[in-house]
Amino acid sequence: EDQVTQSPEALRLQEGESSSLNCSYTVSGLRGLFWYRQDPGKGPEFLFTLYSAGEEKEKERLKATLTKKESFLHITAPKPEDSATYLCAVRERDDKIIFGKGTRLHILP
Amino acid sequence: ETGVTQSPTHLIKTRGQQVTLRCSSQSGHNTVSWYQQALGQGPQFIFQYYREEENGRGNFPPRFSGLQFPNYSSELNVNALELDDSALYLCASSLGDGHGYTFGSGTRLTVV
Repeated sequence: EDQVTQSPEALRLQEGESSSLNCSYTVSGLRGLFWYRQDPGKGPEFLFTLYSAGEEKEKERLKATLTKKESFLHITAPKPEDSATYLCAVRERDDKIIFGKGTRLHILP
Repeated sequence: ETGVTQSPTHLIKTRGQQVTLRCSSQSGHNTVSWYQQALGQGPQFIFQYYREEENGRGNFPPRFSGLQFPNYSSELNVNALELDDSALYLCASSLGDGHGYTFGSGTRLTVV
């Protein structure tokens, strides 16, 4: 069965403490891996799309990387405003899109 | 540039009723997809439309159906509502392959 698994489920960091979120996937024919940020009561906000192993993308304090089996979202020197749920999703060959359950990130001031 | 707009924002329905949720895509986006998100879970893919044709469907029963109109706006219809259908329903639009999806803020559906 095609799956997307995110870890950890929840993460508490001190402001400035860098870390990484993991997204592992088993799907047939990856047509893109997406990272989103979701704040409570809102829809997900698009961050990155990655297509091939070795690809990397950056935006402010966030950097996303992709291998053949997993993706990492690296957060460098996070601030309290980075607190949110981070969602990973993959698009399969048949255009089905599968989301992980997300990582709830809390940055303490 | 307008984003994705969903209506209504909140809705309460009785078990067995039917509901229609609406989505206006971001300007120029020809692809729209719908998701169901239960509390504390990631969004579950319902289906996707590209230029008015369904081109992907998740594991939802046929009582979940949809439409995409020539202006690329979309509807999600759910028949014979069940209590477990209570969730946040999200719509997302995209320019298609190679582009990310822009999400709306969702419709919170409560079935009682």
